[in-house]
Amino acid sequence: DARVTQTPRDKVTEMGQEVTMRCQPILGHNTVFWYRQTMMQGLELLAYFRNRAPLDDSGMPKDRFSAEMPDATLATLKIQPSEPRDSAVYFCASGFSSGEWTDTQYFGPGTRLTVL
Amino acid sequence: TQLLEQSPQFLSIQEGENLTVYCNSSSVFSSLQWYRQEPGEGPVLLVTVVTGGEVKKLKRLTFQFGDARKDSSLHITAAQPGDTGLYLCAGGGAGGTSYGKLTFGQGTILTVHP
Repeated sequence: DARVTQTPRDKVTEMGQEVTMRCQPILGHNTVFWYRQTMMQGLELLAYFRNRAPLDDSGMPKDRFSAEMPDATLATLKIQPSEPRDSAVYFCASGFSSGEWTDTQYFGPGTRLTVL
Repeated sequence: TQLLEQSPQFLSIQEGENLTVYCNSSSVFSSLQWYRQEPGEGPVLLVTVVTGGEVKKLKRLTFQFGDARKDSSLHITAAQPGDTGLYLCAGGGAGGTSYGKLTFGQGTILTVHP
């Protein structure tokens, strides 16, 4: 049963610290999405990649957030420095894209980030 | 910016009752998806509708895409406690370079009491 995996599942850190979240997409999927979910804003798209190339990161605060795909099996989302307002659940999702269409997005279990 | 408004935000009902959740926008979407999310987990896709006026049924769940592809509804018949969760609608961009980019509604928290 193929699944998207995310680590860590929970992270508590202090303001100013660097946070790195990792995602392993489902094998064979060529598109990876990063979302952030909060009670106030709901589920927001931060960035997404296709074939490891960033397509859109307009939803991401550029000054402190960065997203990369070092290889096809790993996507990372980094926050440096972290702030209390970054506290949220961060989801990674993967899917297969062909042309302008992406098949079903499969979500990971999320990383719950708390910045004190 | 494409926005999706879901209503109601909260729904608390008794087992056996019927309910409808609405998802509305002023924008046209190429597709509309409904997800269900349980605590501590990521959203799971329930259905995708792509044609205006399309109706899809999944057991006790009925999904409808508006004729103009700007709105959608989810109807649950004879709700059960296992239906409890957060229901999210998500609209897919109207072509261009959307590449599967989704816009999510705020969600509806459904609680079904035994």
